[in-house]
Formats: sequence, C-alpha cells, structure tokens
Amino acid sequence: DSGVTQTPKHLITATGQRVTLRCSPRSGDLSVYWYQQSLDQGLQFLIQYYNGEERAKGNILERFSAQQFPDLHSELNLSSLELGDSALYFCASSVELAVSEQFFGPGTRLTVL
Amino acid sequence: EDQVTQSPEALRLQEGESSSLNCSYTVSGLRGLFWYRQDPGKGPEFLFTLYSAGEEKEKERLKATLTKKESFLHITAPKPEDSATYLCAVHQRGMGIKAAGNKLTFGGGTRVLVKP
Repeated sequence: DSGVTQTPKHLITATGQRVTLRCSPRSGDLSVYWYQQSLDQGLQFLIQYYNGEERAKGNILERFSAQQFPDLHSELNLSSLELGDSALYFCASSVELAVSEQFFGPGTRLTVL
Repeated sequence: EDQVTQSPEALRLQEGESSSLNCSYTVSGLRGLFWYRQDPGKGPEFLFTLYSAGEEKEKERLKATLTKKESFLHITAPKPEDSATYLCAVHQRGMGIKAAGNKLTFGGGTRVLVKP
C-alpha cells in the first residue's frame, strides 16, 4: 500500500458526460501528479500540483482540468468524454516540488461507452 | 522530443534464469532515471532512482545500472513473484516555472513472466 488513495476504483459513463476523479496523497506529500495509462499510449503525464498551485503540464487535453485543495487532496475533472478517454487514471504524490520518487495510487479505471 | 525506449517488450523466463531489461533514452540534461514495477491493474511501485552514469542500485534480485545513454535492470535468479511489467522513466532538466521538465517521461515497459 503506497498510502495514496483514489476514488472511485471504477467508473462507467457515456460519451459527452463529465466525471470527477479524486486523489488523496500520502501524509506529508505536497506534490500531486496525474497520469493517464492506455494500452496504446502507455503511461502519460497529465499535470502536477504542488501545495495548491499548478506547477507542470504534460499532454493534458483542454477538456480535462485539475485542482488541488487546501487539504492537499486533488481532483481531476474530465468533460465532454469521448470513447478514447477510456483508460486507467493514476494519481501519484511526492514530498518535493522537483521530481523525486513518486508513489502511485491504485488508479481509477474509466470506461466511456 | 524526449524518447524513452524499453526492450524487449516481453520476456518469458524460467525460474532461476537470469536476464536483463534495457531502457534507452535520448534526453538532454538527465536529472534522474527511475525504475518502477507494475502489476496488472495496479499502480506502479517505485524501485530505484539513478542519477549519474556508473551508478548502480540493488534490491533483492534486482540490480539497476546507468550509462550515459541507457539503463539496465538485471534480474538475477528470478522467481514467479517477479512477474510484472517493469517501467523506466526519465526526468529531464527543464526551464521555467511550469517547466515541462518537471515530469517523468515513461517508456512502454517490459512485461516479464517467470514460469516455475
């Protein structure tokens, strides 16, 4: 158990809908990272927050957004969902702003029908 | 663009049959190379970080090494419980407050199956 929690574990929804994925980092970690993992794209970095502020962006679509709250939990919002958004979404956390060992949560499996 | 390539894509081993996984990278200003293990349907589990060429790290049956262009993960006398996908990732030196370098770029992984 990495200490990172993600909810829900599974999510099934329809195209065009909006969903919110939630992540609680390990106790004491200030950085939260979001990743998308699909069979054809592998593990892709989406976005990083550190202590409530956005600090790095990767290949995140404009339909996706994230935020980190004062209690350090983070939410990833996915809107206007498409079939291709079906994937595993992982949250990871680390202590520092700079990249260091990241501890991954168990993931949320999103299925868009 | 940063590239991280892992080979082979899949590896079938007999229990006790040692082997090596390769991770080659083309980035400028490498700040760190990370190895993770991922079991099916689960999040990646951190194994090692390597920072400079010549560095080596070991954990149980796993040993990671780093050169200027690639890293190897050696599995010595593997057991069935070593079956997993092994991912490598690189951290590149970035610029700016929202530097793209503040991220890990992952390879496609090597799926390892160890048969008893």
